Amino acid sequence: DQQVKQNSPSLSVQEGRISILNCDYTNSMFDYFLWYKKYPAEGPTFLISISSIKDKNEDGRFTVFLNKSAKHLSLHIVPSQPGDSAVYFCAASEIQGAQKLVFGQGTRLTINP
Amino acid sequence: KAGVTQTPRYLIKTRGQQVTLSCSPISGHRSVSWYQQTPGQGLQFLFEYFSETQRNKGNFPGRFSGRQFSNSRSEMNVSTLELGDSALYLCASSTAQAGDTEAFFGQGTRLTVV
Repeated sequence: DQQVKQNSPSLSVQEGRISILNCDYTNSMFDYFLWYKKYPAEGPTFLISISSIKDKNEDGRFTVFLNKSAKHLSLHIVPSQPGDSAVYFCAASEIQGAQKLVFGQGTRLTINP
Repeated sequence: KAGVTQTPRYLIKTRGQQVTLSCSPISGHRSVSWYQQTPGQGLQFLFEYFSETQRNKGNFPGRFSGRQFSNSRSEMNVSTLELGDSALYLCASSTAQAGDTEAFFGQGTRLTVV
């Protein structure tokens, strides 16, 4: 039973445009949501997080939106840059402090020049 | 500030052997979590240690164990290795303080069981 789902295995976006990565979850007990970026053979790099009391959090080019009623979150990257090409994972946790993260399967984002 | 450090980076072991992996968290971080990444199962939570105590545990067999030392460094042990244990093992550290929702990962240890 996959509690966190990223239904798009891959996404291709032109440089300068907006990248939108989506994530759905089933566990209503999740209170914290995080996005990570990962390059091959490296650990995930933390990008941005949001707690369930908010519906939006912004950090530079990255914005995360949370729709609790739909159990859906999305990561927007504007403008997309070639260095953004990587695998993006969304993760969720019931526990404050981001322990015991449940990860989605990841979306490979490719930014085309 | 130094990041999360995992050693060794790469390891090759034979079926039936045991292995110990090490993780040094970011200074000041008291929580260390371990994850297994495989192509088929993705990133899965193994366990979390805080103040030398295991606080949370994932759905892995008892062959997977860990511990945390007083300086917050953590080790993970896998006994009686199986081919399916080949994976990238990642540790993550966090402050575990109220309101802090960030967890930072190390580069991982790539374990190959032959």
